[in-house]
Amino acid sequence: NAGVTQTPKFQVLKTGQSMTLQCAQDMNHEYMSWYRQDPGMGLRLIHYSVGAGITDQGEVPNGYNVSRSTTEDFPLRLLSAAPSQTSVYFCASSYMGGEAFFGQGTRLTVV
Amino acid sequence: GENVEQHPSTLSVQEGDSAVIKCTYSDSASNYFPWYKQELGKGPQLIIDIRSNVGEKKDQRIAVTLNKTAKHFSLHITETQPEDSAVYFCAASFTGTASKLTFGTGTRLQVTL
Repeated sequence: NAGVTQTPKFQVLKTGQSMTLQCAQDMNHEYMSWYRQDPGMGLRLIHYSVGAGITDQGEVPNGYNVSRSTTEDFPLRLLSAAPSQTSVYFCASSYMGGEAFFGQGTRLTVV
Repeated sequence: GENVEQHPSTLSVQEGDSAVIKCTYSDSASNYFPWYKQELGKGPQLIIDIRSNVGEKKDQRIAVTLNKTAKHFSLHITETQPEDSAVYFCAASFTGTASKLTFGTGTRLQVTL
């Protein structure tokens, strides 16, 4: 049972480049979320989804897009990367009333 | 929106002593309060959680208390061990689920021999 899998683990982008951070879960959880973690700021919610086809914005959504076409996958897209998006990104999944399971994270550097 | 404050930011205790981390939240509608442990290079992992209809919950050496009137909740770790050294985060949610969490800024716990 893999749980929540994030790829890639590390990525370096140039300003203005685009990329997609992948997140997949094999627990059939309805809920999936993306957070970013910056030093001294804890984790902040970017986008979340309560089921396939349903997404909503979190606290810091600007610069990021998401879609959820299947229960298993919840990719996060950066359309034009900026240095302010340098961070560690975590994907999480959960079911109603249950705990959140986090992936191992993607460390992104934008130069 | 919800705001969660966490204190202290760093905590050093001797092995066998107790550690207490405190959080306050702003939204009185919040009803789910998990605590996470994060080890270096890993994602957060749930260690205990509590819902608003419960005042205290315990799991072996770990306990959480909730005071809804004062809007604060605390993590208590007794008989600390070196493997307890990590960063701990509190969080709050008004949805009753773990899908939309507001996190505190974290406490780095160091357990010394």
